[in-house]
Amino acid sequence: QVQLQESGPGLVKPSETLSLTCTVSGVAISSYYWTWIRQPPGKRLEWIGYVSSSGGTNYNPSLNSRVTISIDTSKNQFSLKLSSVTAADSAVYYCARARATRPYHYFFDKWGQGSLVTVSS
Amino acid sequence: DIQMTQSPSSLSASVGDRVTITCQASQDISKYLNWYQQKAGKAPKLLIYDASNLETGVPSRFSGSGSGTDFTFTISSLQPEDIATYYCQQCDVLPTTFGQGTKLEIK
Repeated sequence: QVQLQESGPGLVKPSETLSLTCTVSGVAISSYYWTWIRQPPGKRLEWIGYVSSSGGTNYNPSLNSRVTISIDTSKNQFSLKLSSVTAADSAVYYCARARATRPYHYFFDKWGQGSLVTVSS
Repeated sequence: DIQMTQSPSSLSASVGDRVTITCQASQDISKYLNWYQQKAGKAPKLLIYDASNLETGVPSRFSGSGSGTDFTFTISSLQPEDIATYYCQQCDVLPTTFGQGTKLEIK
């Protein structure tokens, strides 16, 4: 079965770069689009961005200048980097698989368990 | 960005009750509305996509309807395991956005 697992530091200092990796098993990463979504404590879900199997990306404009999502098909992994973090970036970060019945109209059918990242000195 | 507003924000119901949650978009999103269930401390789970399509493996007591700006999510007979927060998500226009959630509790 398809499984996703986030990994990375749980604590990041202000102004530094948050880095997370999602390892996918049970399906070839080259067959789908993949996404990062975050959820600050007690708040709604916020979409961060997509990456395609060819490395094409689309980011939330609210984070666009600070976000980089990349993919490594040889390792069946994709990654998130968020630069210049502040306390407002503290959240549970989820990786997920994106599916669509019409191009770019994505919903998220498989999720990782989530990785809590706290920004604090 | 398209704003998604769910109603109510919280709801208490009895086992066996019919439960309805609404989601309103700030502009026309056609049928591109999805529903998720999130249990405490867990990742969201996809229940309904494209307004009314039941995801594989999801019990048939869950259903969705609507188009344009107004959508409805229904649990036909509430079960104890349905205790969770439910979110809608529009995927018609990027950035995709989520509602604020509806927390469902057992009375």
